[in-house]
Amino acid sequence: EVQLVESGGGLVQPGRSLRLSCAASGFTFDDYAMHWVRQAPGKGLEWVSGISWNSGSIGYADSVKGRFTISRDNAKNSLYLQMNSLRAEDTALYYCAKDKGSMVSDAFDIWGQGTMVTVSS
Amino acid sequence: SSELTQDPAVSVALGQTVRITCQGDSLRSYYASWYQQKPGQAPVLVIYGKNNRPSGIPDRFSGSSSGNTASLTITGAQAEDEADYYCNSRDSSGNHRVVFGGGTKLTVL
Repeated sequence: EVQLVESGGGLVQPGRSLRLSCAASGFTFDDYAMHWVRQAPGKGLEWVSGISWNSGSIGYADSVKGRFTISRDNAKNSLYLQMNSLRAEDTALYYCAKDKGSMVSDAFDIWGQGTMVTVSS
Repeated sequence: SSELTQDPAVSVALGQTVRITCQGDSLRSYYASWYQQKPGQAPVLVIYGKNNRPSGIPDRFSGSSSGNTASLTITGAQAEDEADYYCNSRDSSGNHRVVFGGGTKLTVL
């Protein structure tokens, strides 16, 4: 079964850091680009970051650039998001999503169930 | 960075046809993908590329594009199609970025 399982969310104070993980199974992880997409409570989807199959191409939304870092470990079939200098507006459900291709594109065909990040003092 | 604009809400009578649109400069260069999201669930890809449906997506869902506008058409809307629909595309500003539209709440009457 193709599956993405996120972990690492929780309650964190503003200015602190958090690292999200996404464990992939059921497909050849290192053939595909991967993404993080977030959704604030009651709001729409916001693309956060994407990474190509070999980590050679990486992109970030303006809202997180310089604070968040995406990475992957193909040997461990895992995707990560290091989130630093967290702000209240980063509060959201964070989804891990698989791209249909090896490079960053717009077609995300597999999604996890998300991990909630709450930034509050 | 690019922006994609969607109507916040659209309604359709059961069994009728509805078109959901997405506008943005990036759509002059790239196709849009479309996602369906029901309450409490993760999004599901329903259309990608020129007009491609992933396995398991009913053929009543179709996509099209003209100029700076992409459209998702549901022909013969069913009650189970009531959901939020989001478009996205690659960002025409480059730098390996993607942008989502604000979403459209579809109500099936």
